[in-house]
Amino acid sequence: AQSVTQPDIHITVSEGASLELRCNYSYGATPYLFWYVQSPGQGLQLLLKYFSGDTLVQGIKGFEAEFKRSQSSFNLRKPSVHWSDAAEYFCAVGPVGGADGLTFGKGTHLIIQP
Amino acid sequence: DGGITQSPKYLFRKEGQNVTLSCEQNLNHDAMYWYRQDPGQGLRLIYYSQIVNDFQKGDIAEGYSVSREKKESFPLTVTSAQKNPTAFYLCASSTDRVTYGYTFGSGTRLTVV
Repeated sequence: AQSVTQPDIHITVSEGASLELRCNYSYGATPYLFWYVQSPGQGLQLLLKYFSGDTLVQGIKGFEAEFKRSQSSFNLRKPSVHWSDAAEYFCAVGPVGGADGLTFGKGTHLIIQP
Repeated sequence: DGGITQSPKYLFRKEGQNVTLSCEQNLNHDAMYWYRQDPGQGLRLIYYSQIVNDFQKGDIAEGYSVSREKKESFPLTVTSAQKNPTAFYLCASSTDRVTYGYTFGSGTRLTVV
């Protein structure tokens, strides 16, 4: 069965500093990979997604993620965080061409220090 | 503007009661999904539907029921058989299976009192 691990439950970063959120997946084939962001009490917004091709994908709000097949990872990065980036971040994996829904990690709570 | 509307935003239920959460989309998406979110647990799939009049159980379907009579609507009923229904419920839709371009609603917080 597919699974997603986000090793960091909480991360605290100073405003203006760089950010990397980790995501590891377990899946038998090349999956579709996603990063979503959630503000408190709200739904999820898609930041970026990887299907194939270039392993470095760009998303909205200045985020990017790199797919590393050898490490089964899809880490999210941002060069300089803003206070508005404080939120919950979820990594998700989906089967290729399958009918099932996405499998989500447990999330990483990002705290921004002034 | 197109999107997904979940209602109500907050819902209180007495133990032993069934309640129905509404999810409506005007995106012309074929697939719709219900997820449950608990603190520190991420999102877990309850039910999904790829087409009208058809739906499939997800990972935690026990104590829940759904219907898909219209393309736009995918209501979720939390039955009295659900032992721990207090949670945040999220509805999503997507245009096709391959790209999984999920659009999420803003959620319904259900509390059992």
